[in-house]
Amino acid sequence: AQTVTQSQPEMSVQEAETVTLSCTYDTSENNYYLFWYKQPPSRQMILVIRQEAYKQQNATENRFSVNFQKAAKSFSLKISDSQLGDTAMYFCAFMRLNTGTASKLTFGTGTRLQVTL
Amino acid sequence: DTGVSQDPRHKITKRGQNVTFRCDPISEHNRLYWYRQTLGQGPEFLTYFQNEAQLEKSRLLSDRFSAERPKGSFSTLEIQRTEQGDSAMYLCASNGRVNTGELFFGEGSRLTVL
Repeated sequence: AQTVTQSQPEMSVQEAETVTLSCTYDTSENNYYLFWYKQPPSRQMILVIRQEAYKQQNATENRFSVNFQKAAKSFSLKISDSQLGDTAMYFCAFMRLNTGTASKLTFGTGTRLQVTL
Repeated sequence: DTGVSQDPRHKITKRGQNVTFRCDPISEHNRLYWYRQTLGQGPEFLTYFQNEAQLEKSRLLSDRFSAERPKGSFSTLEIQRTEQGDSAMYLCASNGRVNTGELFFGEGSRLTVL
């Protein structure tokens, strides 16, 4: 079974600053995806960024980038130039491949990020 | 709005009552999922449909839970004889591609069992 651990329940960052959210995972699989999902207050969860385990290059999406360390089973999210709209719950998630056609994700417990003025 | 919609958004019920939630996925998506999120936890997978076929069920889905997707479009999740431990946010998600992991979530149906 896979586990995903987010050890930072809450974080705060000032607008325009950079913040890094941590995530570690445990798996015996070699082929998998890792994700960061964002859940704004009272709104639906959306995908922020995805990393394929076979890719060595870290994924980047605009202000969002990851630091993927496969050997250490670490997957952190860096948010640059933080904006008030980044305030949300952030979930790290794992999905092993070879699960048939289902996108079965294992989520961490989340990090609540507050962006302040 | 062409996103995933869920109804009702909030449901308060007494222990022992039955409740039903509905999910309308994005129209072109043939894969539909139910996840459950309890307070302080991340979402947990419950079940998965491809078109009208329920292909996978988590062991979290006890006999009191049943999900359907009769015509491969909307889905319902019914909980019979609710218990206080069923209190949670029930999230529906859909996608149309294989194993990308990108799920399009609804806003959820929050269940409170008194």
